[in-house]
Amino acid sequence: DTAVSQTPKYLVTQMGNDKSIKCEQNLGHDTMYWYKQDSKKFLKIMFSYNNKELIINETVPNRFSPKSPDKAHLNLHINSLELGDSAVYFCASSQDSGGTTMGHEQYFGPGTRLTVT
Amino acid sequence: DQQVKQNSPSLSVQEGRISILNCDYTNSMFDYFLWYKKYPAEGPTFLISISSIKDKNEDGRFTVFLNKSAKHLSLHIVPSQPGDSAVYFCAASENRDDKIIFGKGTRLHILP
Repeated sequence: DTAVSQTPKYLVTQMGNDKSIKCEQNLGHDTMYWYKQDSKKFLKIMFSYNNKELIINETVPNRFSPKSPDKAHLNLHINSLELGDSAVYFCASSQDSGGTTMGHEQYFGPGTRLTVT
Repeated sequence: DQQVKQNSPSLSVQEGRISILNCDYTNSMFDYFLWYKKYPAEGPTFLISISSIKDKNEDGRFTVFLNKSAKHLSLHIVPSQPGDSAVYFCAASENRDDKIIFGKGTRLHILP
């Protein structure tokens, strides 16, 4: 049983297109995240949602818009894709700790490798 | 500005020996530290953590040591096994409920 799943696993698209990556967790966690791992291998947080509410929004272009229809899903929509968006995107989730914004011991999905040509 | 640094991109260790992965940080406000392990084509998986009130935390073959004055932590794996070959990420946060900052990772190769 997959705890955190992402679709698609690979995504190749052209500049200027709009694409979405879906994420679902079946762990009953309250908090979900999107990370970007760039070509230099840094894993950086982009967004986090707690119970469908945006908690962390790092300095990410507004072409990136997360959407959380329910606490088990956090989708990432990217408009007007650029070459620099090519990266591996990881979704993660964690159990909320005492009503605070973010827990640790996050569970990661397998990643989505996005290639923009 | 790298707040969490893993200066060794890779490390090779003989099976059965001790693997020591190092991590340095610059933010003195960090007080919670984690290690994640990542296999190719998979997401990172949580391995072990330590709070700044401790200097050591042990879980089976894995031990994390924290030296706050040196802003340094290390992960010891003993004995090393072939399945330990992976990329290990050091991570830190300012409190248990803040965003996690990851290092660049160290690729560990366990040699037969």
